[in-house]
Amino acid sequence: EAEVAQSPRYKITEKSQAVAFWCDPISGHATLYWYRQILGQGPELLVQFQDESVVDDSQLPKDRFSAERLKGVDSTLKIQPAELGDSAMYLCASSSGGDSYNEQFFGPGTRLTVL
Amino acid sequence: AQSVAQPEDQVNVAEGNPLTVKCTYSVSGNPYLFWYVQYPNRGLQFLLKYITGDNLVKGSYGFEAEFNKSQTSFHLKKPSALVSDSALYFCASREIGFQKLVFGTGTRLLVSP
Repeated sequence: EAEVAQSPRYKITEKSQAVAFWCDPISGHATLYWYRQILGQGPELLVQFQDESVVDDSQLPKDRFSAERLKGVDSTLKIQPAELGDSAMYLCASSSGGDSYNEQFFGPGTRLTVL
Repeated sequence: AQSVAQPEDQVNVAEGNPLTVKCTYSVSGNPYLFWYVQYPNRGLQFLLKYITGDNLVKGSYGFEAEFNKSQTSFHLKKPSALVSDSALYFCASREIGFQKLVFGTGTRLLVSP
């Protein structure tokens, strides 16, 4: 069964350092999402790609966060510099199309701890 | 703005008993509604969705959900709970024509033997 891959699974860093997360969506899925899930809360969308283009990044803190999907396949989310409040689970998801009724398939996530 | 509410932080049920996890939504038009389950240190797994048609939707692992437009609810149900159903459950909504999926805060389900 095809799955969304993410790495690393866990990341511990000190504040002011740079971190990067990688996501490989299910093959053929044109739409890719990055979510942040703070402990005890539901996931919140950070950025959405359709192929290589950003569709929605309204909730992405652009002063420190960046995301790219250069070839429309895998994607990288970067934080620089990391802050204590960035500690969370970062989830990547993909879906087969841009229609709003398509379900999203989630990867296992990257748990970030900022010390 | 659309929103999803899950009024219960935790639901406790004995194995073999029926379970219900509640969800209400607020959207400006007709919604698409989803249920996901999350096990510890894992991503979310899709359970079921309501798009249109029959108000009772059947999904994975014996779960079902009932869409009630007048009460703006989409409660998750299962006739007989298993200990392995213990997990965190999220309800989510999407407005038709829009991409953004909005999640509730989650409900922890604890099934005791």
